[in-house]
Amino acid sequence: DAGVIQSPRHEVTEMGQEVTLRCKPISGHNSLFWYRQTMMRGLELLIYFNNNVPIDDSGMPEDRFSAKMPNASFSTLKIQPSEPRDSAVYFCASSQKGQGSDEAFFGQGTRLTVV
Amino acid sequence: AQRVTQPEKLLSVFKGAPVELKCNYSYSGSPELFWYVQYSRQRLQLLLRHISRESIKGFTADLNKGETSFHLKKPFAQEEDSAMYYCALSALPYNTDKLIFGTGTRLQVFP
Repeated sequence: DAGVIQSPRHEVTEMGQEVTLRCKPISGHNSLFWYRQTMMRGLELLIYFNNNVPIDDSGMPEDRFSAKMPNASFSTLKIQPSEPRDSAVYFCASSQKGQGSDEAFFGQGTRLTVV
Repeated sequence: AQRVTQPEKLLSVFKGAPVELKCNYSYSGSPELFWYVQYSRQRLQLLLRHISRESIKGFTADLNKGETSFHLKKPFAQEEDSAMYYCALSALPYNTDKLIFGTGTRLQVFP
């Protein structure tokens, strides 16, 4: 398995534009997490899914952010409209819940720059 | 509410010196604690978990429920230990229901 795959690796967009980040979790994993990493706040949990169902989205900053997981092998995080303060590295991670080994595996991240 | 606190943003030591990266947590239940590490240009990855009680790359961490701490220690730091270290808390043991991270500590080990 190639691990958690995120795309794109880098995204530069203008303020006001829609941005979609993509994640393919490890096959067989049933939990998926979206995190935002900044210098000031470190790793913030935005939302997590279990068996494709959103369990807790309390970390989503505001209505401009939305996330979906239409199936077990794909998730998106969308920002519409984007703002400069959204600039950060966004990580996706997956894990196999309830199997004893609960290690979360991370993707390489998407570095988002909103100008 | 669940919270993980890492009070130091940066910790700088010389090679061979002891290292302690501090982590305190807030959780009313029985937590599971982890340390994750991010080396330069690499993915964030698990370093160790408290239930394993193991030493990884010379690092150990003991869960102190009385002080609600899970500090990461190494007696003799190496240059290759330079990285970003995150302490994390999972709501339920053996069940990564909600994995919450601290703000991270950057460890710099000078030669």
